[in-house]
Amino acid sequence: AQSVTQLDSHVSVSEGTPVLLRCNYSSSYSPSLFWYVQHPNKGLQLLLKYTSAATLVKGINGFEAEFKKSETSFHLTKPSAHMSDAAEYFCVVDSSYKLIFGSGTRLLVRP
Amino acid sequence: DAGVIQSPRHEVTEMGQEVTLRCKPISGHNSLFWYRQTMMRGLELLIYFNNNVPIDDSGMPEDRFSAKMPNASFSTLKIQPSEPRDSAVYFCASTPEGTDRNTEAFFGQGTRLTVV
Repeated sequence: AQSVTQLDSHVSVSEGTPVLLRCNYSSSYSPSLFWYVQHPNKGLQLLLKYTSAATLVKGINGFEAEFKKSETSFHLTKPSAHMSDAAEYFCVVDSSYKLIFGSGTRLLVRP
Repeated sequence: DAGVIQSPRHEVTEMGQEVTLRCKPISGHNSLFWYRQTMMRGLELLIYFNNNVPIDDSGMPEDRFSAKMPNASFSTLKIQPSEPRDSAVYFCASTPEGTDRNTEAFFGQGTRLTVV
């Protein structure tokens, strides 16, 4: 069965500093992995997706993620946080036709 | 395209009442998903339709929940009778092709349901 584990429920960074949101996956086959973002009282928006092409995936708003099979990880990073990045982030793995969501990481950005 | 449209955005109802949530997927998408989001359980898939046919309803909590998709442009999720533990945000999502593992799901804004 496919699953994802988000290692931090909350991450707090200062504006302008790097962001690291951690995700480990479990999959019986080469997975497709996604990061979604949810801003307060909004729906979910796709940030980026890994589909077995390049292991370093670039997404919107300066985010990127690296697929590391040896570590079964798909961590999300951004070089410099912006106040508008404050939101909840979900690591997601596909399971046939449906998406399996992690528990989410709430990113707080301090001025 | 306006994206996935859900209505209402907010619903407050009394325990025991019937609640109907509505979703209009993106035109041309042939897969539709209903998710529920709670603090305790996170995001859970309730039901999945492909070409208007329910394919997987194993996530539907109990018989009080039912979902329909009478045509490609409309789906409903009904709770009857509603209970306080049904309080959650319900999301609808659609994809162009549900069986494509690489397909992005497009989510609506959600319906925040409060049962008092």
